[in-house]
Amino acid sequence: EPEVTQTPSHQVTQMGQEVILRCVPISNHLYFYWYRQILGQKVEFLVSFYNNEISEKSEIFDDQFSVERPDGSNFTLKIRSTKLEDSAMYFCASMGDGYTFGSGTRLTVV
Amino acid sequence: SQQGEEDPQALSIQEGENATMNCSYKTSINNLQWYRQNSGRGLVHLILIRSNEREKHSGRLRVTLDTSKKSSSLLITASRAADTASYFCATEDNYGQNFVFGPGTRLSVLP
Repeated sequence: EPEVTQTPSHQVTQMGQEVILRCVPISNHLYFYWYRQILGQKVEFLVSFYNNEISEKSEIFDDQFSVERPDGSNFTLKIRSTKLEDSAMYFCASMGDGYTFGSGTRLTVV
Repeated sequence: SQQGEEDPQALSIQEGENATMNCSYKTSINNLQWYRQNSGRGLVHLILIRSNEREKHSGRLRVTLDTSKKSSSLLITASRAADTASYFCATEDNYGQNFVFGPGTRLSVLP
């Protein structure tokens, strides 16, 4: 069964550093999403991406964040100058016929 | 493999009927959450139920949790065509280390 793959599964970074979270969506899917989940809280929408551009973004997705589909297979979320409050699980999802989540990347900012 | 498993995978009902979706999981959890998948923003949070709770209501939604059976159900009463969507359960384990989505139930409400 096709999967959405996220790497790394866990990343620790120092405050102020930049991180790139990587996702490989299902190959024939056209819509891509990033979500985050702060420990103990609900999943929050960050951004959706279609046809190589952002289709919708939340108020959380400010200038600190950017997304890219650099090579037609990877879908990346870049967080510039990380803050402690960026510590969360980050989920990628892709949608075609169905909607599939990756297993998430746990980002810890210290 | 994912911990939350919804059933049925697909459900088709008439407007006005009730829809029940189930979710089973394998390990101990801190909480269980139900989401609806809309286009555009994707997921919409519906209800969070903690492991020490048995039932929660929100409007036409009712969620139950049976930790002895490791299962939860989402009931949508008096369904409407606009309820047509995919519904996902997600579980957070006791250590806050894993938050896992199930594959979802695709609900179709026919007018």
